[in-house]
Amino acid sequence: GEDVEQSLFLSVREGDSSVINCTYTDSSSTYLYWYKQEPGAGLQLLTYIFSNMDMKQDQRLTVLLNKKDKHLSLRIADTQTGDSAIYFCAETYNDMRFGAGTRLTVKP
Amino acid sequence: DARVTQTPRHKVTEMGQEVTMRCQPILGHNTVFWYRQTMMQGLELLAYFRNRAPLDDSGMPKDRFSAEMPDATLATLKIQPSEPRDSAVYFCASGFFGGSGNTIYFGEGSWLTVV
Repeated sequence: GEDVEQSLFLSVREGDSSVINCTYTDSSSTYLYWYKQEPGAGLQLLTYIFSNMDMKQDQRLTVLLNKKDKHLSLRIADTQTGDSAIYFCAETYNDMRFGAGTRLTVKP
Repeated sequence: DARVTQTPRHKVTEMGQEVTMRCQPILGHNTVFWYRQTMMQGLELLAYFRNRAPLDDSGMPKDRFSAEMPDATLATLKIQPSEPRDSAVYFCASGFFGGSGNTIYFGEGSWLTVV
């Protein structure tokens, strides 16, 4: 598998937008994913995007994919304290590889 | 509500003991993954199976770890002998690969502490 990289920490104020970024290296990836992990729990699928798309919107979540630069981002609008968690970017072709996770802290 | 089930949820064991973790994947899924999560290394892929056949176990220490899938409803990860550095959360995940989406679903994890 190839590397998936994310920044480790992000802190925002409640009500602001959060943008979590990810870069990947495997150009054969067919799908790219965002998972959320809350303390003491497993990873939950948030959303995914097919590699031939450049944007996907799902309520407060917007995923942007720049396939040329192999860059994926997740924007959370109107971030709430309940959004505080670790967010993982993942790519898949035959298996599934995850980034190290970005810890999002939302301050009241 | 289909889900991936892992047992045990928590395990504390002494160094040198054998540890077996079990996973029941979601019915109909053809791919099962084992991941290990630690603060230092993040989420590491240990091994995965497709249609019960092992496809890649290069992420797994071969001398003490073994992963098997004796039938479609059970995957196991065994550590023998266990060491303190094996303390981590071990996640099983399953998905259907070959259709659209390739989405995988995680169990709640087995929290292992080796003392």
